[in-house]
Amino acid sequence: DAGVIQSPRHEVTEMGQEVTLRCKPISGHDYLFWYRQTMMRGLELLIYFNNNVPIDDSGMPEDRFSAKMPNASFSTLKIQPSEPRDSAVYFCASSHFGMNTEAFFGQGTRLTVV
Amino acid sequence: QQQVKQSPQSLIVQKGGISIINCAYENTAFDYFPWYQQFPGKGPALLIAIRPDVSEKKEGRFTISFNKSAKQFSLHIMDSQPGDSATYFCAASNNNNDMRFGAGTRLTVKP
Repeated sequence: DAGVIQSPRHEVTEMGQEVTLRCKPISGHDYLFWYRQTMMRGLELLIYFNNNVPIDDSGMPEDRFSAKMPNASFSTLKIQPSEPRDSAVYFCASSHFGMNTEAFFGQGTRLTVV
Repeated sequence: QQQVKQSPQSLIVQKGGISIINCAYENTAFDYFPWYQQFPGKGPALLIAIRPDVSEKKEGRFTISFNKSAKQFSLHIMDSQPGDSATYFCAASNNNNDMRFGAGTRLTVKP
């Protein structure tokens, strides 16, 4: 397996625009997690899915953020409208048994909102 | 949100030396304590992990020491190599998928 695949690797957008980040988890993994990494706040869990169902979205900062997992092999994180403070590296991770076991992270999407 | 405190923020070690990174947690419900290694431009990757039923776990040059009563755990890297230069994150989680990461330690191993 190629691991967790995220796209795009880099995204630069203007404030107010819609941004969509994409993730393909490892095949067979039942859990998918979206994290945000910033210098100020470190790694923060935004939302996670189990068997394509959102379980905990309490980490999603605002209603501007939404995430979907239409099937077991694809998830999106959308920010609409984007703001400069959303600039961060966004990671997707997948795991077979949840975050209490090994999680595999993608290479991340570096988002810059200008 | 952060319930795991990690120190030091940065660490410089000579090649062949021992690198030690410390973490402390608050929530006694945590029962899984992994360490992740992150290289620039990459996602974190699991390095080694421990559960509270043991006080130490060793994998090659990497050792986790765990003190349940003190709610502390640490990563020791023996014979540190320049290739170990990376950012290391400790974390703690429970079976509700509530994982909290430390702030990270940037390790530099000088040749």
